[in-house]
Amino acid sequence: KNQVEQSPQSLIILEGKNCTLQCNYTVSPFSNLRWYKQDTGRGPVSLTIMTFSENTKSNGRYTATLDADTKQSSLHITASQLSDSASYICVVSKTAQKLVFGQGTRLTINP
Amino acid sequence: NAGVTQTPKFQVLKTGQSMTLQCAQDMNHEYMSWYRQDPGMGLRLIHYSVGAGITDQGEVPNGYNVSRSTTEDFPLRLLSAAPSQTSVYFCASSYSWGSGNTIYFGEGSWLTVV
Repeated sequence: KNQVEQSPQSLIILEGKNCTLQCNYTVSPFSNLRWYKQDTGRGPVSLTIMTFSENTKSNGRYTATLDADTKQSSLHITASQLSDSASYICVVSKTAQKLVFGQGTRLTINP
Repeated sequence: NAGVTQTPKFQVLKTGQSMTLQCAQDMNHEYMSWYRQDPGMGLRLIHYSVGAGITDQGEVPNGYNVSRSTTEDFPLRLLSAAPSQTSVYFCASSYSWGSGNTIYFGEGSWLTVV
């Protein structure tokens, strides 16, 4: 079983709508949690990094939340744009070298 | 400032051939690493380096070698390619090996072994 589970696997929404992606993890110990955006055919790009003491972190229209007690994180995208179409990857750090990657959520924004 | 540069972008190998995937970063980062990304799976760590002259194995190191002779370069060598090594390979770097540092990824190298 993956230590980092993301849901849904894929999501299609209309341009301008909001959406929320989920990440549940069982990684322990826990150092920090990251969200990455990966466009098709490109490398992942960092969106947010949160330590266990942070509840929320924003980056423009992207807002990540973290509940370290329930081991859940979410990424909320506001007023989606066509350029938001990508895979979104949740990554949990056990240590500096030990990153556990989720399988990603494939988001498609339709005009 | 080019960030993390990987070459080649695409490569087809025959089983048993060897090759080197190149990775260079111009950000003076100490920490560099190689990952592979396979369909339906998260990225998995192959090898990493915390500085010039220092390398260590990650989660899936078998069939791969690395070296770190300079801060900038971190090549990944496939010793004898196998179809199971068909994958997308990403090189990554960060300022140090502290866990809170932003990790920057290259654009990927698509490798097919036939």
